[in-house]
Amino acid sequence: EAQVTQNPRYLITVTGKKLTVTCSQNMNHEYMSWYRQDPGLGLRQIYYSMNVEVTDKGDVPEGYKVSRKEKRNFPLILESPSPNQTSLYFCASRGHATDTQYFGPGTRLTVL
Amino acid sequence: QQQVKQSPQSLIVQKGGISIINCAYENTAFDYFPWYQQFPGKGPALLIAIRPDVSEKKEGRFTISFNKSAKQFSLHIMDSQPGDSATYFCAASRGFGNEKLTFGTGTRLTIIP
Repeated sequence: EAQVTQNPRYLITVTGKKLTVTCSQNMNHEYMSWYRQDPGLGLRQIYYSMNVEVTDKGDVPEGYKVSRKEKRNFPLILESPSPNQTSLYFCASRGHATDTQYFGPGTRLTVL
Repeated sequence: QQQVKQSPQSLIVQKGGISIINCAYENTAFDYFPWYQQFPGKGPALLIAIRPDVSEKKEGRFTISFNKSAKQFSLHIMDSQPGDSATYFCAASRGFGNEKLTFGTGTRLTIIP
C-alpha cells in the first residue's frame, strides 16, 4: 500500500530534550515536506526537500533541522525543543510528475 | 504575513445544501491552487486543484471557482452530505515543482441532517 508513515504518532517530552520524528514514504517520491498544524493558523511549512541531500527552509524553520540522506526518509529533528513547538506535525511527499502531495497521519508533540 | 486568507472559519450547512468556502491570495505569482480535506485524526488529502488558465473546475459534487483579477478562489460543495463534514484548507504555490505551499487557516464544515 502506497503510504507516508510517521513515528511516533504521539510524543510528550520536556524542554531541551532532543528528539527526532521519522518520516518514510514507499512511493519513490522525490519531494518531501514537513508541516506543523496549529489551531487558527492552518498548516505551515517547516522544511522541504527536492531530492536526496537537497533541502530548503519553509515558512517556519526556526528550531528545526532536517536531513535527506535516503530518498524514502526525511526525519525532523528538534535539538532543543521548547513549549512553543507543541503542535501537530505532518510529513508529506510528492512525485515529480504530479502536483498531489500525500500526507502522513500526523505526530502530536507536546513539549512541557 | 498571511498570504492566503480563508473564510469562514466554521460553516454549518443542511444536508443537500451548497457549502461555499472562500480564499483570497496576495501573491500574483501563485499559479497552483489546491483544496485539501482533513478528517479528524487524519492527514490532509488533496480534494481538487486548479491552475489559473481556467476559471472553473468540477469534479463530482466539488467545484473550484477561480477569479484571477480579484485574486480569489472558492470551493463549492453541491448536495452536501454528512460525510463531507471535515476541515477544508485552501492552499497556493508558485510554479510547478515549487514545494513552498502556503495554506489558508482552514474551515470546519459541519453538515447537519
